[in-house]
Amino acid sequence: DVKVTQSSRYLVKRTGEKVFLECVQDMDHENMFWYRQDPGLGLRLIYFSYDVKMKEKGDIPEGYSVSREKKERFSLILESASTNQTSMYLCASSLRINRGLNTEAFFGQGTRLTVV
Amino acid sequence: AQSVTQLGSHVSVSEGALVLLRCNYSSSVPPYLFWYVQYPNQGLQLLLKYTTGATLVKGINGFEAEFKKSETSFHLTKPSAHMSDAAEYFCAVLPSGGYNKLIFGAGTRLAVHP
Repeated sequence: DVKVTQSSRYLVKRTGEKVFLECVQDMDHENMFWYRQDPGLGLRLIYFSYDVKMKEKGDIPEGYSVSREKKERFSLILESASTNQTSMYLCASSLRINRGLNTEAFFGQGTRLTVV
Repeated sequence: AQSVTQLGSHVSVSEGALVLLRCNYSSSVPPYLFWYVQYPNQGLQLLLKYTTGATLVKGINGFEAEFKKSETSFHLTKPSAHMSDAAEYFCAVLPSGGYNKLIFGAGTRLAVHP
């Protein structure tokens, strides 16, 4: 059974803290993604990575950075957490598109982050 | 830029009634299309997808969707709603070319009442 695992389901952090959200997939997928989910806004892409050590900004990268040192792991970093980063964060992975039609993304359970 | 529009942020149906959730996309080239479901405090789960071939696709839990190129639509239907269908549903497109970056609609929350 395919799996994307996020390290925490719930996190509470203080303003100004450095926050790490970890995501691991066991499907040998090239692509990994971090989305942010807010009511009425759907899922917005923060960053994605198409290979180890490769990253691209998504639609809302400000205030975030990422790290992908190994193929299976993709970390989202909030350098200095702020209250407007309180949200649900979803990690996903997928195959590279030219590897066939199995193009769907697989999602982790989500991390609900509250910044106080 | 490509976009996805889900008409209706909230839809309410009676148990046993038809479920219809609407999705339109903007693209001159037909993309790959997906419907995902999210139950409370969970991640997203794939319901169904359209890539090529038959335009009527069947998914899990009795859902199906029809790709209509002329209408740039991919509406999700289920003939008879069940209480367990209450969840949030997201339509997504995978644009042709580039990396596998899904573009999501804002979501539709489905309520099912007895």
